[in-house]
Amino acid sequence: DGGITQSPKYLFRKEGQNVTLSCEQNLNHDAMYWYRQDPGQGLRLIYYSQIVNDFQKGDIAEGYSVSREKKESFPLTVTSAQKNPTAFYLCASSTPGQRNTEAFFGQGTRLTVV
Amino acid sequence: AQSVSQHNHHVILSEAASLELGCNYSYGGTVNLFWYVQYPGQHLQLLLKYFSGDPLVKGIKGFESEFIKSKFSFNLRKPSVQWSDTAEYFCAVRPGGYQKVTFGIGTKLQVIP
Repeated sequence: DGGITQSPKYLFRKEGQNVTLSCEQNLNHDAMYWYRQDPGQGLRLIYYSQIVNDFQKGDIAEGYSVSREKKESFPLTVTSAQKNPTAFYLCASSTPGQRNTEAFFGQGTRLTVV
Repeated sequence: AQSVSQHNHHVILSEAASLELGCNYSYGGTVNLFWYVQYPGQHLQLLLKYFSGDPLVKGIKGFESEFIKSKFSFNLRKPSVQWSDTAEYFCAVRPGGYQKVTFGIGTKLQVIP
């Protein structure tokens, strides 16, 4: 089945450690996104990528890094510089350009810093 | 930068009541508009979308929305809610030709049987 797979579903990290969240899609979508969801704040865009080897900062990129070496994959690294990393992280993908479609979302990864 | 405002953060309705959730956006050009729903414990799902054409959009599960360009609004409506509509609803906007999708803060709907 086509879709977006995020792993792991739950992740625990010690303070001061970097951690990488996985996002893989088999929808052949060019654009991919990372959002952070916090209660009362909705979804905030961290990074997005319109094509392989290209990505742009979203609204809250500080303390995060991404790579886009393959079309199917868009991993997000939460670094120790992120002041408040405990959150629910959502990955999404869509087709870009004039053939507009909606974004499809993965199941999310809940990161807890302990 | 574009922004999205959802005015109702928490709505409580009885079953069979009518629903209208407000959504306004700030962007002067062509936009794509979306409503997503997140049921408890589930991932975000698309309810409906507007790209062009008829401003009255029908979505899944009896939801609809009307794009009013002059008011920069895209409110979500349902004539009669059910207990199973209990969820969080997000409005989102994407300027035409761009990839950045901006979401509102969400509205939690609780339907009481």
